[in-house]
Amino acid sequence: TQLLEQSPQFLSIQEGENLTVYCNSSSVFSSLQWYRQEPGEGPVLLVTVVTGGEVKKLKRLTFQFGDARKDSSLHITAAQPGDTGLYLCAGPSTGANSKLTFGKGITLSVRP
Amino acid sequence: GAGVSQTPSNKVTEKGKYVELRCDPISGHTALYWYRQSLGQGPEFLIYFQGTGAADDSGLPNDRFFAVRPEGSVSTLKIQRTERGDSAVYLCASSLTVSFTDTQYFGPGTRLTVL
Repeated sequence: TQLLEQSPQFLSIQEGENLTVYCNSSSVFSSLQWYRQEPGEGPVLLVTVVTGGEVKKLKRLTFQFGDARKDSSLHITAAQPGDTGLYLCAGPSTGANSKLTFGKGITLSVRP
Repeated sequence: GAGVSQTPSNKVTEKGKYVELRCDPISGHTALYWYRQSLGQGPEFLIYFQGTGAADDSGLPNDRFFAVRPEGSVSTLKIQRTERGDSAVYLCASSLTVSFTDTQYFGPGTRLTVL
C-alpha cells in the first residue's frame, strides 16, 4: 500500500510569513498532485508535478517534486488569510492511475 | 458552467437504515469517482466508473456499500444497514476521461451522520 505522509499536520501563522509543508512517501510515485480544500467544499486541484526535481509556481505558491519522486513540498510566500484551508497531496495508485491515494492533509490557518 | 453537484448536502439517519447519496457529474465527463472523507483524514477512494460500468470498486469497505451509474451520467451510492462508523463526508468527483492527466473535479460532498 502506498502511503503519503504530510507534515506538519497543523500550522497557524501570521499574515505575511513564509511557510513550507511536506508530502513524503517510501514509494515512488509517477506524479503527485496538491489540492486545497475549504470547509464544506470538495478539494480543488492546484498543481500536478510529473518529473523528478520539477518545480512549478502558482502565484505565491511553489511546488517541488523530489528527485526520486518520493516526496514533494509546497512553499507559500507572504501568506494571506485567503490561503487558509486544508492542503492535500495525492498520487495515483500503482497500476491504477485513476485511483488517487491522498495524504491526511495539512490544516493551514493564516491570521490577519 | 455547472460543476459537480451532490444531494443531499447533509443526511442524518439512524443505525440500521438505508441511505442513497446522489452525484450529478459535469456534463460530458465519462469518469465518475466516489471517495469517503472521515474527520481529520484525506479522501479515501471507494469506487470509480467509466461510463456505466464500475471499473474499480476495490475501495468499497464491505457489501453494504453499492454504487450505480445506469445511464453513464448520474450516480447513486447506496449504503444498507448503516453503522455509526459510516459517518463521514462522501465526495463525488468527475473527469473527462479516466486518464490521470484529466483533472478530477470534486463536488461539495454529502455529510452523512449515523446516530
